[in-house]
Amino acid sequence: DTAVSQTPKYLVTQMGNDKSIKCEQNLGHDTMYWYKQDSKKFLKIMFSYNNKELIINETVPNRFSPKSPDKAHLNLHINSLELGDSAVYFCASSQDSGKGDTQYFGPGTRLTVL
Amino acid sequence: SQQGEEDPQALSIQEGENATMNCSYKTSINNLQWYRQNSGRGLVHLILIRSNEREKHSGRLRVTLDTSKKSSSLLITASRAADTASYFCAPQRAAGRRALTFGSGTRLQVQP
Repeated sequence: DTAVSQTPKYLVTQMGNDKSIKCEQNLGHDTMYWYKQDSKKFLKIMFSYNNKELIINETVPNRFSPKSPDKAHLNLHINSLELGDSAVYFCASSQDSGKGDTQYFGPGTRLTVL
Repeated sequence: SQQGEEDPQALSIQEGENATMNCSYKTSINNLQWYRQNSGRGLVHLILIRSNEREKHSGRLRVTLDTSKKSSSLLITASRAADTASYFCAPQRAAGRRALTFGSGTRLQVQP
């Protein structure tokens, strides 16, 4: 059973299009995240949701809009895609135990904008 | 910033040798975590060490933490070709912010 799954794994699209990436976790965690990993391998937080509520929203263009229909799902919608959006996007989840948040990552979605 | 910075950027060793990677950070922390990323995959959690701990072991992994120097090290003993991956450290603050901040990692290549 996959703990954190993402679809699609690969996404190739033209500039200006709108696309969505989906994420689901079956771990029962209450917090989910979207990270972006650029070509230099830096992994940066974009958004974090706790029990369907947005708790972290880093400096991300408002073309990116996360949606959490329930605490097991966190989707990422991107409008008007730009070349610079090409990256690998990772979803993750964690359960806040108060002792540190071990995060479980999905396999990533490699987005290529042409 | 809370970001950890891994050193060296790249490391190449022979199978059976030990690999040591270092991490430095700038703020006070509640814990520090190490993750591994195989090529084309998501990150996998390896070990978490709390700020009141100095050393922790998990199988062939040994992690140390020196909060006075704001540094941590990850030692992989008796390395295997399957250990080839990028390794990231993530210092985490005490409260509030749950998201982790990663550096660019150490790329470890274990030659068979």
